[in-house]
Amino acid sequence: EDQVTQSPEALRLQEGESSSLNCSYTVSGLRGLFWYRQDPGKGPEFLFTLYSAGEEKEKERLKATLTKKESFLHITAPKPEDSATYLCAKFSGGYNKLIFGAGTRLAVHP
Amino acid sequence: ETGVTQTPRHLVMGMTNKKSLKCEQHLGHNAMYWYKQSAKKPLELMFVYSLEERVENNSVPSRFSPECPNSSHLFLHLHTLQPEDSALYLCASSQGQGAPNYGYTFGSGTRLTVV
Repeated sequence: EDQVTQSPEALRLQEGESSSLNCSYTVSGLRGLFWYRQDPGKGPEFLFTLYSAGEEKEKERLKATLTKKESFLHITAPKPEDSATYLCAKFSGGYNKLIFGAGTRLAVHP
Repeated sequence: ETGVTQTPRHLVMGMTNKKSLKCEQHLGHNAMYWYKQSAKKPLELMFVYSLEERVENNSVPSRFSPECPNSSHLFLHLHTLQPEDSALYLCASSQGQGAPNYGYTFGSGTRLTVV
């Protein structure tokens, strides 16, 4: 059964303190690994798609990387506005269905 | 209006009520999805529609009834719900099967409270 597991469940950082979030997934023909950001009371917002091991994508202070078994979301010099829940997901089955991890709640304090 | 719009944003209903959630997308996507999000749990896929045809029902209780009258609109009809059904219900759309996919576009969700 396809699964996506995220760690840590919650992360508290000081402004400027870089860190990484982890997403591990069952390897069953990976057709896409997604990262989303979700703010309280809102729907998830698309950040990145990664398709093959070794691929990297960047957006402002965020960089997503992919290996054969896991993905990392690196946050460099975070700011308080980066506080959110970060969700990882992968395709599972037909019709582009996505299965999600439980997310990492990130809090960045000034 | 662009993107995915969900209404209402908040809903409080009794266990004997009947209500409907509405989702509308203006992105030209041909697949739409309902997800349930409960606290500290992964998003749970409920239903998938592709080209207005229901192609997946993830063992969802019959008190939840989806409807997709056209490729731009999706409804979730609710009746005789239980308190454990209280959650954030999210609608999403995508380009669907067989097309390059850059991820779902989600609505802001309906926060449902069953009393």
